[in-house]
Amino acid sequence: EVQLLESGGGLVQPGGSLRLSCAASGFIFSGYAMTWVRQAPGKGLEWVSSLSGGGGNTFYADSAKGRFAISRDNSKNTLYLQMNSLRAEDTAVYYCAKVSGYTSGWHRGWFDPWGQGTRVTVSS
Amino acid sequence: QSALTQPRSVSGSPGQSVTISCTGTSSDVGGYNYVSWFQQHPGEAPKLMIYDVSQRPSGVPDRFSGSKSDNTASLTISGLQAEDEADYYCCSYAGTYTWVFGGGTKLTVL
Repeated sequence: EVQLLESGGGLVQPGGSLRLSCAASGFIFSGYAMTWVRQAPGKGLEWVSSLSGGGGNTFYADSAKGRFAISRDNSKNTLYLQMNSLRAEDTAVYYCAKVSGYTSGWHRGWFDPWGQGTRVTVSS
Repeated sequence: QSALTQPRSVSGSPGQSVTISCTGTSSDVGGYNYVSWFQQHPGEAPKLMIYDVSQRPSGVPDRFSGSKSDNTASLTISGLQAEDEADYYCCSYAGTYTWVFGGGTKLTVL
């Protein structure tokens, strides 16, 4: 069974940094792209970032470019999201998800399954 | 990266059918057959219900179906059941390894 478990969320001041982790199990982690999606309180889902199975190709939403960095350690089956220069509008639950369906040409894939999420609050 | 447009809410009685629309542009929904739909109950993570416009993952009831016409995708739930009450989100590939979600639709089962 595929399982994803996020951690690392918490309360951080504006301008601060936080690193989220997503521990994966139940599949060949290095074979699949992964993604981060966030959900602000009472709001909808927002795609944040994705990266390839090998970690060499990364992609970001405009809201994350220049501030967030996605990475992975395939030896530890773990996905990361380093978030810097945090703003109040980054307050959200952050979910990691497996990009399923394809190991190459993974833009054709779909987000499944998702972890339970980790909450990030940016406030002074 | 503008969000796809979904109705804020829809409702239906048990046993009825409802359809949720998801309107984008030729750069996302209209340009690719990579539209998916997610169900989210309060306090829970999203769950994949439809992928590739109309494909159902194993375990998803065949009451759920998807379609697309031009720049608008649709999710239809037939034979509504109480447990279908949830928020529903569409998602489309938008080119260059980016994705865009809809604003979400709250489904109420009357």
